[in-house]
Amino acid sequence: QSALTQPASVSGSPGQSITISCTGTSSDVGGNKYVTWYQQHPGKAPKLIIYDVSNRPSGVSNRFSGSKSDNTASLTISGLQPEDEADYYCSAYRGSSTLGVFGTGTTVTVL
Amino acid sequence: EVQLVESGGGLVQRGGSLRLSCAVSGFTFTNDWMSWVRQAPGKGLEWVANINEGGSEKYYADSVKGRFTVSRDNAKYSVYLQMNSLRADDTAVYYCVRGGTTANFWGQGTLVTVSS
Repeated sequence: QSALTQPASVSGSPGQSITISCTGTSSDVGGNKYVTWYQQHPGKAPKLIIYDVSNRPSGVSNRFSGSKSDNTASLTISGLQPEDEADYYCSAYRGSSTLGVFGTGTTVTVL
Repeated sequence: EVQLVESGGGLVQRGGSLRLSCAVSGFTFTNDWMSWVRQAPGKGLEWVANINEGGSEKYYADSVKGRFTVSRDNAKYSVYLQMNSLRADDTAVYYCVRGGTTANFWGQGTLVTVSS
């Protein structure tokens, strides 16, 4: 159950846009629409911010957007704000009769 | 308001057992898969186990298969994780999660520490 690959860290200045990649295989990221993204602030539980590749739950800022190309999913944060500083994890479904898999996690720093 | 409240964590010796509980409210429990996700100190997230709406389907991470058992009581709106033969690398915060593929909502987590 190998983890999906994410960059360890990404940084940007307030107002800028950043993109976090999440690379898997045709058996997970590339194989279905069930790619999700979670935001986790220090000491807090994760929070769902993107589901089914590009959908935002109610209440999540439209500055967060998701996409996918082949075996790589991406999370873009536009208009970066200080409160976006957090860890971000992707996750993907690997088919029936099995659990999903998380990415390795990316720490976003707002400079 | 959706709430998931875990309990049962604590300090246990290697080889021991613990049973985690998760009491839920604010949504129709019987309509949803439920999952357990853990996070070792300073590390990333790991799906541990999930269970379908009626409790007839259960899936486990290879790292816990044969040692952990997930169950649910739909009458009590609760989900459980029985953890046996605990190892040092099971030390983590364990989160109860609404959903099987997408973790729609998370509890606050309960810390399990396995001492050697």
